[in-house]
Amino acid sequence: DTEVTQTPKHLVMGMTNKKSLKCEQHMGHRAMYWYKQKAKKPPELMFVYSYEKLSINESVPSRFSPECPNSSLLNLHLHALQPEDSALYLCASSQGTGMGEQYFGPGTRLTVT
Amino acid sequence: QKEVEQNSGPLSVPEGAIASLNCTYSDRGSQSFFWYRQYSGKSPELIMSIYSNGDKEDGRFTAQLNKASQYVSLLIRDSQPSDSATYLCAVISWGNQFYFGTGTSLTVIP
Repeated sequence: DTEVTQTPKHLVMGMTNKKSLKCEQHMGHRAMYWYKQKAKKPPELMFVYSYEKLSINESVPSRFSPECPNSSLLNLHLHALQPEDSALYLCASSQGTGMGEQYFGPGTRLTVT
Repeated sequence: QKEVEQNSGPLSVPEGAIASLNCTYSDRGSQSFFWYRQYSGKSPELIMSIYSNGDKEDGRFTAQLNKASQYVSLLIRDSQPSDSATYLCAVISWGNQFYFGTGTSLTVIP
């Protein structure tokens, strides 16, 4: 059983919609991550929240906006997405600040129409 | 040159054989190395972490690290059809950047 949960499991949204992905970890970890994964590709790191400090992959467009309400919750706000943003969105967490052993949630399969 | 390189495969082995998965990395200062397994349509699952030169064993899995050669491998003994998946190598560089390799697809043939 995963201790990182993500909701929803599937999401279909239009290009004008605003939606949010949610992630929660129950392991007391202090770092959380958002990844995007396209088919047959490795996960690509989007954002890191570590000890309440946000690090951003500069290549991520501004239509993706992370929010960390507390150390166990991580949201990803989506606005005006494009069809090419359709992918599996993965949340992960790790214990410390050094991007160590990361444990992944089951992911949200996003389709943008 | 990519930070982490893996042979994309596919790698096919018969059931009961040893599967050998290989990974090379470019940053000589890298200190932390991980192997993840990912079934089709699922999220990555951490199998092993290794930080020191040599071998580390966990059940049927053995991770091997050679920092001088900048090489890390994963051996799966007594391979089972349930081991069929994509195996991702991941490395934390000296600059604390986390890199995944492109993954190796493994098929275990009954």
